[in-house]
Parts: sequence; C-alpha cells; structure tokens
Amino acid sequence: AQSVSQHNHHVILSEAASLELGCNYSYGGTVNLFWYVQYPGQHLQLLLKYFSGDPLVKGIKGFEAEFIKSKFSFNLRKPSVQWSDTAEYFCAVSPNRDDKIIFGKGTRLHILP
Amino acid sequence: DAGVIQSPRHEVTEMGQEVTLRCKPISGHNSLFWYRQTMMRGLELLIYFNNNVPIDDSGMPEDRFSAKMPNASFSTLKIQPSEPRDSAVYFCASSSRTRAKNIQYFGAGTRLSVL
Repeated sequence: AQSVSQHNHHVILSEAASLELGCNYSYGGTVNLFWYVQYPGQHLQLLLKYFSGDPLVKGIKGFEAEFIKSKFSFNLRKPSVQWSDTAEYFCAVSPNRDDKIIFGKGTRLHILP
Repeated sequence: DAGVIQSPRHEVTEMGQEVTLRCKPISGHNSLFWYRQTMMRGLELLIYFNNNVPIDDSGMPEDRFSAKMPNASFSTLKIQPSEPRDSAVYFCASSSRTRAKNIQYFGAGTRLSVL
C-alpha cells in the first residue's frame, strides 16, 4: 500500500536556524508531491508542489523542497526560520493518475523567539 | 474564488444527537474529500467523491457516518447517533485534475464537540 513517512513528529528550533524536514514515500510509479502547512487553529494550505521537471521546487515564504527519485524522498528545507513558521507540516503524495492524496502524519515545528 | 466553504465552524452537541456537516466545494472542481483530524490519529481521509459519485469510503469509521453529494456544489457528512469519540475537526477539500492537477484546497473546518 502507498504510504508517506515523515521522519520527525516534533521539531524545536530557534529563530534563524536552518530547517530540514524529512519525507519518504512508497510508490513505484510517477507521483505528484506536496507539502502542506497548517498554522495553529487554521486549515491546511499548500506550501509547494512537484509535478515534473526541476526536482528543486520553491514555494511560498522561502521554503523549498528537493525531489530525489532514487531515494523516494521529498525533503522540505528553509535556510533561516522565523517565529511565524511555527506550524504543522504535512508531506503528501498522489500517484499521477489518482485523485487521492496520501498524507503523512505531520511534523509539528515550534520556533523559539 | 470563494474557496471551499464549510458550515458550521463549530458544533457542540450531546451524545446521541444527529450532526450534519456541510461543504461547498470550489466551483468547477470535480473531486471532494472529507477528512477528520484528531491529536491521536492525525489527518484521516473518510470518503471522497468524483463527479458526485462516492469513490472510496473505506475510511468511514462505521455505519453511524454517512456522506452524500447530491450535486456538484454541495456535500454533507452526517453522524447519527453521535458519540464523544467523534469529537474532532472535520475538513472538506476539493480538487480538479484538469484545472490544477489534484491540488487539494481545504475549507476552514468544522470543530465538533460531542458531550
């Protein structure tokens, strides 16, 4: 069965620290990849997406992610985090011909001011 | 575009009562999803529709839960009878394969508390 694994459940960083959140998926075919963010008390919003082309994708608020096909990974990065990045981050995968998106269990990011 | 609209935003009810959650997807989207989010279980897909037809309801917890999509602009999720363990935030999302390659857009959610 398809699955998405996020390596860290809870991450605590200080402002200006660099961030990398790990994500691996299990699916052998062509996939669409997503990172969603959920700020406290809000709904999920799309942070960035990968469909094809350049494996390094840039999203909103300075976030980027790199698709490494050989490792089935789609890690999220940001060089310098801000207090306002405190949120829960979800990695998600959709097989190319599927309407469904498989979400990971999320990583709670807490940024200390 | 108004986005995905859910109502009510908050619902407090007593155990045994019927609860109906409502969702209006983004106009032109042909897929609609219902999710449940709790601290313990995270984000769970309950059911999804494609062109108003239920495609996968394997995530529906039990027969107390039912969902309908009578037309392209409206869906309901009903719990009857409700139980305290149903307390959660319920999200509706919609997407379009042709317009936006399955990017799901989420509503603001309904926070359900069953006492």
